[in-house]
Amino acid sequence: KNEVEQSPQNLTAQEGEFITINCSYSVGISALHWLQQHPGGGIVSLFMLSSGKKKHGRLIATINIQEKHSSLHITASHPRDSAVYICAVSSSGGGADGLTFGKGTHLIIQP
Amino acid sequence: DGGITQSPKYLFRKEGQNVTLSCEQNLNHDAMYWYRQDPGQGLRLIYYSQIVNDFQKGDIAEGYSVSREKKESFPLTVTSAQKNPTAFYLCASSIGSGYPYEQYFGPGTRLTVT
Repeated sequence: KNEVEQSPQNLTAQEGEFITINCSYSVGISALHWLQQHPGGGIVSLFMLSSGKKKHGRLIATINIQEKHSSLHITASHPRDSAVYICAVSSSGGGADGLTFGKGTHLIIQP
Repeated sequence: DGGITQSPKYLFRKEGQNVTLSCEQNLNHDAMYWYRQDPGQGLRLIYYSQIVNDFQKGDIAEGYSVSREKKESFPLTVTSAQKNPTAFYLCASSIGSGYPYEQYFGPGTRLTVT
């Protein structure tokens, strides 16, 4: 199984700041997922990407397949963005055998 | 509304008892998954099923069992053989397998065994 590393583990920022969360993985993948987990525990899928860049509102995800690296950016951060952000990968076999997850980045946005 | 339901949200059991966590989806998804989350660790795969009446062990299947008798249901039994059953359990589903698909997650069940 792939190993997935995220940084930083914890991040506290002020409202309005530009946020970057990084994810590195070790072997071949078919897709990379960015997920958001709120304090209640529920998880929501933000992005699934296998190349390039995707944007949804103030969230941007990029992936560099050659460097085995992805970043999640949040522009104009807001306290409601406070959550745990999780990077996960689908194996090169298509991900039929589930996802492999990073440990998450705990983000706090202060007003 | 389509989605995944898990019940109950909180579950308490005595050591030595088996307990079954429910997971139901009305998304018409073929693939379903069970993950476990412990503090400070990433989610880990317990079991997965790509189709009805078929399932495979994940990375940490010991002490767990599952069934997939209906497309919409994938219950997980935590047996007394599971050494550290206290954890947060998440069920997920995706349209299919063999190609990367987005996974949809249930709200989770927090199991405490004392």
